[in-house]
Amino acid sequence: DAGVIQSPRHEVTEMGQEVTLRCKPISGHNSLFWYRQTMMRGLELLIYFNNNVPIDDSGMPEDRFSAKMPNASFSTLKIQPSEPRDSAVYFCASSLALLAAGCTDTQYFGPGTRLTVL
Amino acid sequence: AQTVTQSQPEMSVQEAETVTLSCTYDTSENNYYLFWYKQPPSRQMILVIRQEAYKQQNATENRFSVNFQKAAKSFSLKISDSQLGDTAMYFCAFCGGSNYKLTFGKGTLLTVNP
Repeated sequence: DAGVIQSPRHEVTEMGQEVTLRCKPISGHNSLFWYRQTMMRGLELLIYFNNNVPIDDSGMPEDRFSAKMPNASFSTLKIQPSEPRDSAVYFCASSLALLAAGCTDTQYFGPGTRLTVL
Repeated sequence: AQTVTQSQPEMSVQEAETVTLSCTYDTSENNYYLFWYKQPPSRQMILVIRQEAYKQQNATENRFSVNFQKAAKSFSLKISDSQLGDTAMYFCAFCGGSNYKLTFGKGTLLTVNP
């Protein structure tokens, strides 16, 4: 399996622009997670999908952030408008776990997207 | 809320030697999972090892092993025969059994010197 695929690997944009990050989870996985990594706050969970349905978006910083999962093989994280404080590495992860299974299955991470907002 | 603490921001070790990275956590749950992830300069988060709290036996994966002390809420990672490719940031993570959220520590930067 190719693992979790994220694109782009690097994104540089200007403040106010819309940014879309993409993720393809491992085939057959039921859960998908978006994380953000910064020096100040470490790794934080932004949103969790199970069977394409958003289960927990309490980590999404504000309304400028939105995430979708239109099918089992694709998810997007959109920031509109972007701000310099959004600069971070954004990771997508997936696992086999069904909703009731909790942490029984390991989360596998993609390579991340390094976002720089000027 | 669960917390994960890694008290060593940086460590270094000579190639071929053994090093132990520390991790403590706080939880009221009885069933949970603990993980060590490695993040090399490539930025990829790679699972190193996982431990299920109900298992008394410490997990091992080749040169990597853990010392899981449930009563002390301690979960250290031992790397034997350190290799240059082990140079990375290492994150300890906790996941409650009925939950799905990974709570990460701040990480320990390990440098393996030739």
